Amino acid sequence: GAVVSQHPSRVICKSGTSVKIECRSLDFQATTMFWYRQFPKQSLMLMATSNEGSKATYEQGVEKDKFLINHASLTLSTLTVTSAHPEDSSFYICSARDLPSGGAYNEQFFGPGTRLTVL
Amino acid sequence: SQQGEEDPQALSIQEGENATMNCSYKTSINNLQWYRQNSGRGLVHLILIRSNEREKHSGRLRVTLDTSKKSSSLLITASRAADTASYFCATDAFAGGGNKLTFGTGTQLKVEL
Repeated sequence: GAVVSQHPSRVICKSGTSVKIECRSLDFQATTMFWYRQFPKQSLMLMATSNEGSKATYEQGVEKDKFLINHASLTLSTLTVTSAHPEDSSFYICSARDLPSGGAYNEQFFGPGTRLTVL
Repeated sequence: SQQGEEDPQALSIQEGENATMNCSYKTSINNLQWYRQNSGRGLVHLILIRSNEREKHSGRLRVTLDTSKKSSSLLITASRAADTASYFCATDAFAGGGNKLTFGTGTQLKVEL
């Protein structure tokens, strides 16, 4: 099956620093990538949707200046948490959809997640 | 919020018993999917049921979908300790110019020996 990787898997940083998380589709081209955040014992909340070569669409309540998303190619999207604070500590998960195959549905593949801890 | 609701929030059963989890959602959907997540790990896709399907099976999993009630259920038969995990339903729907997955609140399943 299709594989999505994330790097790093775990990061610890000091408050005020910026952290970049990479999401790559390894064996398919992703027209759309999604970024989710998950707090402990909670569900996944969609943060933003990014399409290759265009600006990301952020969900209500997500600060676009704080969570910078770049989808520079069909296989790579990055999420940068700027000026991170302890409340940004969370599990960040990306996913990617492959190119449409003609139906109303094309599968979404999830990365393994990145655990961010801000001290 | 368009997030779906799942019940129960937590479920504890003995190995060999069946586990049933329910999911309710709010909007029209293309399909509904179920995922498993072990503690601190990524998501594992279990099964997808399209909006025009009513029931689907995969191994020990049985999923039903009632679009008139906007609800779905996941049945795990003959549960094993290895089934201990959080289970999420996710609805795939067109919104804001594209298809999006919206996750339910999740059910934490514990299967005891």
